[in-house]
Amino acid sequence: GAVVSQHPSWVICKSGTSVKIECRSLDFQATTMFWYRQFPKQSLMLMATSNEGSKATYEQGVEKDKFLINHASLTLSTLTVTSAHPEDSSFYICSAIPGTGNTEAFFGQGTRLTVV
Amino acid sequence: GQQLNQSPQSMFIQEGEDVSMNCTSSSIFNTWLWYKQDPGEGPVLLIALYKAGELTSNGRLTAQFGITRKDSFLNISASIPSDVGIYFCAGSPSGTYKYIFGTGTRLKVLA
Repeated sequence: GAVVSQHPSWVICKSGTSVKIECRSLDFQATTMFWYRQFPKQSLMLMATSNEGSKATYEQGVEKDKFLINHASLTLSTLTVTSAHPEDSSFYICSAIPGTGNTEAFFGQGTRLTVV
Repeated sequence: GQQLNQSPQSMFIQEGEDVSMNCTSSSIFNTWLWYKQDPGEGPVLLIALYKAGELTSNGRLTAQFGITRKDSFLNISASIPSDVGIYFCAGSPSGTYKYIFGTGTRLKVLA
């Protein structure tokens, strides 16, 4: 149980285009999901908290107009990187918690984005 | 962004040795989680801790939630080659439900 799936696993896009990454909780409902970014040999940095049915909460320094988050259902959150640039190339990982409050967070397999 | 202090940054050990790593924070945490990440993959949950002083084991892994709620450690006993990877702690600050990650400990096991 508690499986989180991300799609796609990797994507290459041209500079200036937009890319959408999906995060699905396969066997549980998640009112809250999280999006992280990880650069090579670095830790995971929290970008935003995705709340089902409401606006996402962004961490300081993360541009909400560039990283659009939509959490339209209890099992799906999407992250859209708009007008992507090479510096946006990174490993993007989502996580979801099965309940409310502090419980275990389960992670997707990640999406490697390369902007050329 | 906010990160937890995790040490050591990296370790080279012989197969069969025990390993210890820890995380510290300047603020109180409600939950501590320990993850292992292999290259190109998402983190996999190893152990979850919910109460101050809690000591939990998962096979050869043991983790504890510090009494002050500002630290946690992870021990791996009798290491094997497949223990190689990066270990992260993650904590949920009091009053929030988001998770902040430690800086990671890169473990290499020499056969």
